[in-house]
Amino acid sequence: DSGVTQTPKHLITATGQRVTLRCSPRSGDLSVYWYQQSLDQGLQFLIQYYNGEERAKGNILERFSAQQFPDLHSELNLSSLELGDSALYFCASSSSGRTTDTQYFGPGTRLTVL
Amino acid sequence: AQSVTQLDSQVPVFEEAPVELRCNYSSSVSVYLFWYVQYPNQGLQLLLKYLSGSTLVKGINGFEAEFNKSQTSFHLRKPSVHISDTAEYFCAVSDLRGGATNKLIFGTGTLLAVQP
Repeated sequence: DSGVTQTPKHLITATGQRVTLRCSPRSGDLSVYWYQQSLDQGLQFLIQYYNGEERAKGNILERFSAQQFPDLHSELNLSSLELGDSALYFCASSSSGRTTDTQYFGPGTRLTVL
Repeated sequence: AQSVTQLDSQVPVFEEAPVELRCNYSSSVSVYLFWYVQYPNQGLQLLLKYLSGSTLVKGINGFEAEFNKSQTSFHLRKPSVHISDTAEYFCAVSDLRGGATNKLIFGTGTLLAVQP
C-alpha cells in the first residue's frame, strides 16, 4: 500500500458525460501528479500540482482539468467524454516535487466510456 | 525531446533463471532514471532509481540496474526470478528540462512472464 488513495476504483459512463476522479496523497506529500495509462498511448503524464498550484502540464486535453485543494487532495475532471478517454488514470504523490523525489502511485481509477 | 525505449514487450523466462529487461533512453541533458513494477490490477511501485554516483543501483526484491551513459541504457537484472515476479515493468526518465517539475516519461513496458 503506497498510502495514495484514489476513488472511485471503477467508473462506467457514456460519451458526452462528465466525471470527477479523486486522489488523496500520502500524508505530508505536497505534490500530486496525474497520469493516464491506455493501450494505445501507454503511460502519459497529464499534470502536476504542488501545494495547490499547477507546476507542470503534459499531454492533457482541453476537456480535462484538475485542481489541488487546500487539504492537498486533488481532483481530475474529464468532460465531453469520448470512447478514446477509456483508460486507467493514476494519481501519484511526492514530498516536494523535486526531480529527485520518488513518486508514489495510487491503485488507479479505471474509466470506461461506452 | 526525451524518450524511453523498452526493446522487449514481453520476456518469458523459467523460474530461477536470470533475466534482463532492456531500457534505452534519449536525452540531451542529464537524466534521472527509474524502474517501476506494476502487478496485475495494482498501481506502480518503485523498484529502484538512479540519480547520481555508483552506476550499479540495487533495488527491492533482488533487482538491480546498471546505468551506462555511453550506451544511454539502464537495463534491469535479476539473477534468479520467482513466479511472483510476473508483472509489467516500466522504465522511466525524469524530465529535467522544466526546472522545478518532476514529470516522468515512461517506456511502453515489458511484461515479465515467469513460468514454472
